[in-house]
Amino acid sequence: DVKVTQSSRYLVKRTGEKVFLECVQDMDHENMFWYRQDPGLGLRLIYFSYDVKMKEKGDIPEGYSVSREKKERFSLILESASTNQTSMYLCASSRTGLAGTYKYFGPGTRLTVL
Amino acid sequence: AQSVTQLDSHVSVSEGTPVLLRCNYSSSYSPSLFWYVQHPNKGLQLLLKYTSAATLVKGINGFEAEFKKSETSFHLTKPSAHMSDAAEYFCVVSLSFTGTASKLTFGTGTRLQVTL
Repeated sequence: DVKVTQSSRYLVKRTGEKVFLECVQDMDHENMFWYRQDPGLGLRLIYFSYDVKMKEKGDIPEGYSVSREKKERFSLILESASTNQTSMYLCASSRTGLAGTYKYFGPGTRLTVL
Repeated sequence: AQSVTQLDSHVSVSEGTPVLLRCNYSSSYSPSLFWYVQHPNKGLQLLLKYTSAATLVKGINGFEAEFKKSETSFHLTKPSAHMSDAAEYFCVVSLSFTGTASKLTFGTGTRLQVTL
């Protein structure tokens, strides 16, 4: 079974802190994604990566950056956390091509910024 | 451009009665369509997917969905609800772009409540 793991289930940070959210997948998938999930808004794509060291902005990249130094790991970085970044963050991975239309999701990290 | 609209934010049914979760999509090209389910405090799980093969798609746990191009709909149904079906359901449309990673567009979700 594909496994996508996220380093923390719950995080509480203070405004202005630098925050790292880590995601690891074990199926050698080329593509990795970061979403945030907010009530009434569904999931929105923040960033994605289709190869090591490659990244592209999603729909709401402002206030975030990402890092992909190894194929299995995709990090989401909040340089200076703000209260409006309190949310559930979901990582996903997929293969390239038609098979990549289906994504495997991690369990999520619920981040609270005080 | 692509978008998806889930017509109901909350649906409540009695156990043993049919479930209907409605979804309409908009897409410039032939889309792939999915339903994902999210149980409380759990990750998203794929329920079923449509990728231009049979228009009636069967998924896990007795769910199915029918792709209707003329109505641009992909409604999710189940003949008989079970208490374990209580969860949030997301309709998702996907276009492949850049030939590599495909972009998923999520609906806002429908929370299904199942009562005794």
